[in-house]
Amino acid sequence: SSELTQDPAVSVALGQTVNITCQGVTLRSYFAHWYQQRPGQAPKLVISDKSVRPSGIPDRFSGSGSGDTASLIITGAQADDEAVYYCHSRSSTSTHLPFGGGTKLTVL
Amino acid sequence: EVKLVESGGGSAQPGRSLRLSCAASGFTFDGYAMHWVRQAPGKGLEWVSGVSSDSGSRKYADSVRGRFTISRDNAENSLFLDMNNLKTEDTAFYFCARDTSPHNYGAALDSWGQGTLVSVSS
Repeated sequence: SSELTQDPAVSVALGQTVNITCQGVTLRSYFAHWYQQRPGQAPKLVISDKSVRPSGIPDRFSGSGSGDTASLIITGAQADDEAVYYCHSRSSTSTHLPFGGGTKLTVL
Repeated sequence: EVKLVESGGGSAQPGRSLRLSCAASGFTFDGYAMHWVRQAPGKGLEWVSGVSSDSGSRKYADSVRGRFTISRDNAENSLFLDMNNLKTEDTAFYFCARDTSPHNYGAALDSWGQGTLVSVSS
């Protein structure tokens, strides 16, 4: 089983807000990073260090976290946001860098 | 523009070896840790290995430790993954990714290559 747990699938109505979560004991100590992967493409970093948005990422993407849970929030979801989202962090032993299983986001 | 281009993928039989390469350009290569991440067809991302900017720290996933070796050549702006004793479960797209830090301790991966496919079967 993965050290970081994500819901396999989430849906959101166009223009609404969605919260994608990632849970793991290691998140009590280390920040989560979030990646977007569209079909046939390489992953793209959308949030680093829990809540930092890289240059070029729309401001509808934000991140937060508390305790053993990290969240990726998309405010006003667009059709273009339909993708799989992965969280990523450091293991509690710092020996490896696990990914969550991914959440497939469907925009209705 | 940051560019990462993987090569070296292909087909191999179980027990054989392959070497993957990643050519980097558009940034100061020796200032960043680098990683390999793989994705089996239709599956999720799996971190494989990472190396610090000066090669002083190398880490591996349990699934590949003892079989895979990560290395880098800062003079040639290149990252490598030597894969020995390949198993069918190693079949995946292998991505090269740049860390946002020179260290190898879990910072974000801010640039990715397009990946190279490794297929292991008898």
